[in-house]
Amino acid sequence: AQSVSQHNHHVILSEAASLELGCNYSYGGTVNLFWYVQYPGQHLQLLLKYFSGDPLVKGIKGFEAEFIKSKFSFNLRKPSVQWSDTAEYFCAVAKGNNRLAFGKGNQVVVIP
Amino acid sequence: ETGVTQTPRHLVMGMTNKKSLKCEQHLGHNAMYWYKQSAKKPLELMFVYNFKEQTENNSVPSRFSPECPNSSHLFLHLHTLQPEDSALYLCASSPRDRGMDGGYTFGSGTRLTVV
Repeated sequence: AQSVSQHNHHVILSEAASLELGCNYSYGGTVNLFWYVQYPGQHLQLLLKYFSGDPLVKGIKGFEAEFIKSKFSFNLRKPSVQWSDTAEYFCAVAKGNNRLAFGKGNQVVVIP
Repeated sequence: ETGVTQTPRHLVMGMTNKKSLKCEQHLGHNAMYWYKQSAKKPLELMFVYNFKEQTENNSVPSRFSPECPNSSHLFLHLHTLQPEDSALYLCASSPRDRGMDGGYTFGSGTRLTVV
């Protein structure tokens, strides 16, 4: 079965701090990678995705993620967070024709 | 709005009640999904429908009964639920099942509380 690991379930940081959320998966071979964000009381929405090409992917709201194949990782980053980035962030992985497998999520709280 | 609409947003029901959750999408997608989101757990896939046909039942108890009358509508019928079934139930759609063209589009969910 697919396994997607997200560490540090709760992250608290101040505005303007940098954010990095780790995502590791257990599959070898070709994978499709996603980060979703869920703002308080809102739906899950796609932040960014990687299928192929440049391993550094830029998404909405200043987020980016880097695919490192050798490390089976797809870490999410933002250089300077804002209070409005308070949300839960989910990494998701799909291999081949398999469906998305989600990690447990990271609850991020940004203090003004 | 995401294009995937779920109703109701909140539902409180007793263990002997029967209720239904509704999901509707007008994105032209052919696959629809039910997920259960509980605190401190990964998203749990419950059911998948592709072109109205059920293609996945992820060992879900029979007290949850899905229905997909067409590619745009998905229901989850609930009866004799348990308190541990309290969770956020999310509906999602995608162009087709097992096709990762663009990821999934999620609805806002129904917050279910079983008392």
